[in-house]
Amino acid sequence: ILNVEQSPQSLHVQEGDSTNFTCSFPSSNFYALHWYRWETAKSPEALFVMTLNGDEKKKGRISATLNTKEGYSYLYIKGSQPEDSATYLCALRSNDYKLSFGAGTTVTVRA
Amino acid sequence: NAGVMQNPRHLVRRRGQEARLRCSPMKGHSHVYWYRQLPEEGLKFMVYLQKENIIDESGMPKERFSAEFPKEGPSILRIQQVVRGDSAAYFCASSPDRGREQYFGPGTRLTVT
Repeated sequence: ILNVEQSPQSLHVQEGDSTNFTCSFPSSNFYALHWYRWETAKSPEALFVMTLNGDEKKKGRISATLNTKEGYSYLYIKGSQPEDSATYLCALRSNDYKLSFGAGTTVTVRA
Repeated sequence: NAGVMQNPRHLVRRRGQEARLRCSPMKGHSHVYWYRQLPEEGLKFMVYLQKENIIDESGMPKERFSAEFPKEGPSILRIQQVVRGDSAAYFCASSPDRGREQYFGPGTRLTVT
């Protein structure tokens, strides 16, 4: 089981503002880092999978970067919209199947 | 293609009763994973099953918990003689093969009174 920390635990963003939050990990000994988007009462939805130091992935207004040397990944939301309100989960895959999750960052976008 | 289905979505049990949680993987997926989320914590791996086989149950409590994934039908997570500390959200995920992306169900919220 890998230790995964996410910060902040929650944040409020004004509609139209951009924001970012962090997933940090003490060891780079993992297969991949995953980001999931999770809306209440729904299934966590896969956003990104990153494996290499320096990886950058983008999906619409959401993007993520990975820095394995310093032990963190950032998730960015550009021009936040109310539909971006969700909990964003970071997970490390320690082998080819076992995921270790952080507690998540809950984003609330205010109109 | 329907996603991963879990039922029931909410389950209330009294202390000492049994809880059965069901997971139907996505069509074509033969690998199932169970995770548990305790209050204020992240999801924690419990068990990994392939059809009729338990591959890794290292995250599952040794007593009272069991899991199966029969040749036909859904995967079942069974908790015997539930206690208050078993109250949590239980998530199931499936993949078409080992090492592939895991697709999650919406979870079952178990409350033990």
